[in-house]
Amino acid sequence: GAGVSQSPSNKVTEKGKDVELRCDPISGHTALYWYRQSLGQGLEFLIYFQGNSAPDKSGLPSDRFSAERTGGSVSTLTIQRTQQEDSAVYLCASKGGGSYNEQFFGPGTRLTVL
Amino acid sequence: AQRVTQPEKLLSVFKGAPVELKCNYSYSGSPELFWYVQYSRQRLQLLLRHISRESIKGFTADLNKGETSFHLKKPFAQEEDSAMYYCALLMDSSYKLIFGSGTRLLVRP
Repeated sequence: GAGVSQSPSNKVTEKGKDVELRCDPISGHTALYWYRQSLGQGLEFLIYFQGNSAPDKSGLPSDRFSAERTGGSVSTLTIQRTQQEDSAVYLCASKGGGSYNEQFFGPGTRLTVL
Repeated sequence: AQRVTQPEKLLSVFKGAPVELKCNYSYSGSPELFWYVQYSRQRLQLLLRHISRESIKGFTADLNKGETSFHLKKPFAQEEDSAMYYCALLMDSSYKLIFGSGTRLLVRP
């Protein structure tokens, strides 16, 4: 089946504008994660959704960042009033049940804030 | 605090040479450790996990709790191993992965 998909693949925006990034997880996966990959910084956890439970938002860097997951499937990460330091690759991952704990990653969205 | 450290940003070796990518972690609980790999223009993917004690593409990694390390090793590097490698820690109280900053492996012909 299809893997995790993300759109857009690239987004260029002006400072101060809002952006929305979309993630389509693997069908049937109950867990969904967002990470940020900055140059030389590795991957930084942002937010985690598990089924109908309240999301773990502990990684969101500021209140300009928010995410939602509708119907337990598609997720949208929204960044309001973008800043240049928000420029990064935003990765989405999903995980199914079972004991292997493997997260499957999407191709990412490269965000550039001018 | 939980932390994963990969001290080398870049590791360059010749084809056929042994390679070791270092990973140290800091975690007081029972860790589960992974190596993820990202080849050029491909998505991040799981390479191996410590609980499986498996060898994938000739790579192995042993969890050393005494040294809090999970180094990735391969006896004979191949050019196709050139990629970005990330060590990751899964804390037993959640399903968050804590990633290291990554090591770029360059295998030269």
